[in-house]
Amino acid sequence: AQKVTQAQTEISVVEKEDVTLDCVYETRDTTYYLFWYKQPPSGELVFLIRRNSFDEQNEISGRYSWNFQKSTSSFNFTITASQVVDSAVYFCALSFNQAGTALIFGKGTTLSVSS
Amino acid sequence: NAGVMQNPRHLVRRRGQEARLRCSPMKGHSHVYWYRQLPEEGLKFMVYLQKENIIDESGMPKERFSAEFPKEGPSILRIQQVVRGDSAAYFCASSPDSLAPNEQYFGPGTRLTVT
Repeated sequence: AQKVTQAQTEISVVEKEDVTLDCVYETRDTTYYLFWYKQPPSGELVFLIRRNSFDEQNEISGRYSWNFQKSTSSFNFTITASQVVDSAVYFCALSFNQAGTALIFGKGTTLSVSS
Repeated sequence: NAGVMQNPRHLVRRRGQEARLRCSPMKGHSHVYWYRQLPEEGLKFMVYLQKENIIDESGMPKERFSAEFPKEGPSILRIQQVVRGDSAAYFCASSPDSLAPNEQYFGPGTRLTVT
């Protein structure tokens, strides 16, 4: 079965705190892709990152970082020094390397950052 | 290069009416996907189309829903005789016909409200 689990439904932090959003996935495929998307209150989906299964290097982009660990089937997302503008729903998703395969989304984590 | 376009952005229909949602993929993209996001849920795959062909409709409800992607013009998701449970955000994504076929670019979504 292919599945993405985001166990944290809602997280509330105060500005400048660091926060980690968890993502655990299940798949039997050896080649796959993992994604994170942000959905701000305006509702659109903003692409954040795509990582393939052969690349376990951690990635950092500004205040965002991602920790991919195949051993635990996790692809966690950390926001450092959170800001109010980070308030959004964050989705983790899984896909496979062929045309026409759908993205399998987790249920999302709602992050609220207060000032 | 314009992104994926969806219209209308918001659509209100009374029970029993028809809803037509349009999606124009990014230029050069020949793959279109439709996803539905119910309130408080992640996105769920509905259908995958290429020009003039439905490739995978495993996520489509069996009745009242149909999709097309004609040779000319946008992809259309059609919902006949809408019911309150159809109220959701409908997202379209497109991907290129390339070595990375799973790169899906999302449109801003159409929010359907059935009254």
